[in-house]
Amino acid sequence: AQKITQTQPGMFVQEKEAVTLDCTYDTSDPSYGLFWYKQPSSGEMIFLIYQGSYDQQNATEGRYSLNFQKARKSANLVISASQLGDSAMYFCAMSSGTASKLTFGTGTRLQVTL
Amino acid sequence: GAVVSQHPSRVICKSGTSVKIECRSLDFQATTMFWYRQFPKQSLMLMATSNEGSKATYEQGVEKDKFLINHASLTLSTLTVTSAHPEDSSFYICSARGDTHSPLHFGNGTRLTVT
Repeated sequence: AQKITQTQPGMFVQEKEAVTLDCTYDTSDPSYGLFWYKQPSSGEMIFLIYQGSYDQQNATEGRYSLNFQKARKSANLVISASQLGDSAMYFCAMSSGTASKLTFGTGTRLQVTL
Repeated sequence: GAVVSQHPSRVICKSGTSVKIECRSLDFQATTMFWYRQFPKQSLMLMATSNEGSKATYEQGVEKDKFLINHASLTLSTLTVTSAHPEDSSFYICSARGDTHSPLHFGNGTRLTVT
């Protein structure tokens, strides 16, 4: 069975600072994918970044980077130079093997302050 | 990039009526789509996997007769909440991907309120 754990229900960060959102996972499948999604108050799910279990390098997408530590089974999201528009819920998710369905963590609410 | 369209975005219905929610992949074909449910301040929970041309696969605890899924074409899946009750009030969101190397893209969700 797959499990995603996000231990931070809420986080605060000052504008222009960097923030790390934690995510740990558990799976017995050697092939898996890790995703981060952003959900603003309007409800839509916005894809941010993806890391494959066999990827050698940490994924980066603009201000988003994924700190993938396979031995620790962690896939933390790092947001650099935070902006007010980054305030939202952030979900870590995982797919295993050839399955496309995602298992989601409980989410972290990020609040960016002035 | 890939776009998933979901309609309606918001619906209010009376208890006992049925509501249909549509999920379309606009610029790619999706043999598989996924339906999630999200209660306020909670995570997304997978309800079912919608397979084009065959029966949907439901997650444990999800009533297949209550949540009817039809995936009639490669670009359209529908979720019908039958005989809706107030406890069915929730945020329903669909997702799809073009191929195994693409991320899952989500529709904008449907907020269902049953009065």
